[in-house]
Amino acid sequence: AQSVTQLGSHVSVSEGALVLLRCNYSSSVPPYLFWYVQYPNQGLQLLLKYTSAATLVKGINGFEAEFKKSETSFHLTKPSAHMSDAAEYFCAVREPNNNAGNMLTFGGGTRLMVKP
Amino acid sequence: DAGVTQSPTHLIKTRGQQVTLRCSPKSGHDTVSWYQQALGQGPQFIFQYYEEEERQRGNFPDRFSGHQFPNYSSELNVNALLLGDSALYLCASSLRAGLGEQYFGPGTRLTVT
Repeated sequence: AQSVTQLGSHVSVSEGALVLLRCNYSSSVPPYLFWYVQYPNQGLQLLLKYTSAATLVKGINGFEAEFKKSETSFHLTKPSAHMSDAAEYFCAVREPNNNAGNMLTFGGGTRLMVKP
Repeated sequence: DAGVTQSPTHLIKTRGQQVTLRCSPKSGHDTVSWYQQALGQGPQFIFQYYEEEERQRGNFPDRFSGHQFPNYSSELNVNALLLGDSALYLCASSLRAGLGEQYFGPGTRLTVT
């Protein structure tokens, strides 16, 4: 069974500083990987996705993530944090070529706090 | 183009009651998935519907059931509500033939008292 681990349930950075949110997955084959963001009292918004093309993936709002098969990681980064980036971030995986469906398995989430 | 819509926004029920939540997928999508998100946790997959049939199911009891209609909209039903069913219920739509990216609605906040 697939699983996702997000190290650090809370991450605090200063405005303008580098954002690094960690995600490691456990899967027998390289999965498809996703990062979602959730603002308070809202649903999830897709930030970016990796589906076996380029290993460095660029998403919305200046975020990017790099798929590293050797480390089974898909960490999310942003060079300079904005106050508006404060939210909950979720890493998710799905098994590729799964004829049964495309269910997502989520990590526990990381709450990003941005200090002025 | 409307995204994924869910109704109602909030709901308060009593233990033992039954509840029905509704979801309309993003235009052009044919697959609907339901997730339960308890406070402070990541979403947990409940089940997925395609062509009006349940195709995948997570680790949830039979008290959780669903339905998909010919217009691809979907319902989630929960019977014999427990306090532990209190959560945000998220609906997500996608294309069966796609790469798995799912688009989420705003959710229904269910409180069981």
